[in-house]
Amino acid sequence: KNQVEQSPQSLIILEGKNCTLQCNYTVSPFSNLRWYKQDTGRGPVSLTIMTFSENTKSNGRYTATLDADTKQSSLHITASQLSDSASYICVVSSGGGNKLTFGTGTQLKVEL
Amino acid sequence: DTEVTQTPKHLVMGMTNKKSLKCEQHMGHRAMYWYKQKAKKPPELMFVYSYEKLSINESVPSRFSPECPNSSLLNLHLHALQPEDSALYLCASSQEAGVAGTPLHFGNGTRLTVT
Repeated sequence: KNQVEQSPQSLIILEGKNCTLQCNYTVSPFSNLRWYKQDTGRGPVSLTIMTFSENTKSNGRYTATLDADTKQSSLHITASQLSDSASYICVVSSGGGNKLTFGTGTQLKVEL
Repeated sequence: DTEVTQTPKHLVMGMTNKKSLKCEQHMGHRAMYWYKQKAKKPPELMFVYSYEKLSINESVPSRFSPECPNSSLLNLHLHALQPEDSALYLCASSQEAGVAGTPLHFGNGTRLTVT
């Protein structure tokens, strides 16, 4: 069964600090891995998409890494801001790309 | 603001009511999706439309009836819902269905409460 596990479940950090969120997956056949940010009461917004051959991809202060051998990904947030407070969801696509397996998300809170 | 527009933002309905959720995108995307999301849970796929034809139905109960009148619009008709159907209903679109690497663009959802 395809599964995506994220850790930690929740995280509180101070503004300006860095943090790293983890995603482990058992999805086959692997197509791509996406990180989404979901603010409370809003729809998810895509941060990055990585295919099998990509090890790292950045989007501003967000940097995602992918290790296809160990089936792990991480999302690193640099110099956090209050607006980074949200749920971060790891989504792995299998087969042709239609079938997405969502992780349960990491709830990040950035405080002053 | 999101390029996928959903209306209404909030909806309260009784178990005997009939209502519809609407979704619109003008990005020229040919694939549109309905997801259901319960609190603190990831979105669950309900339906996929590709080129205005239903391509995936994830065994959704018949009290949910999707409709795709044209390539820009997606509706979800609701009838005889149960309180456990209360959730955030998300619409999404992508350039094509079944093509790896195409991102999903989500709307901000309709918060549905069934009383």
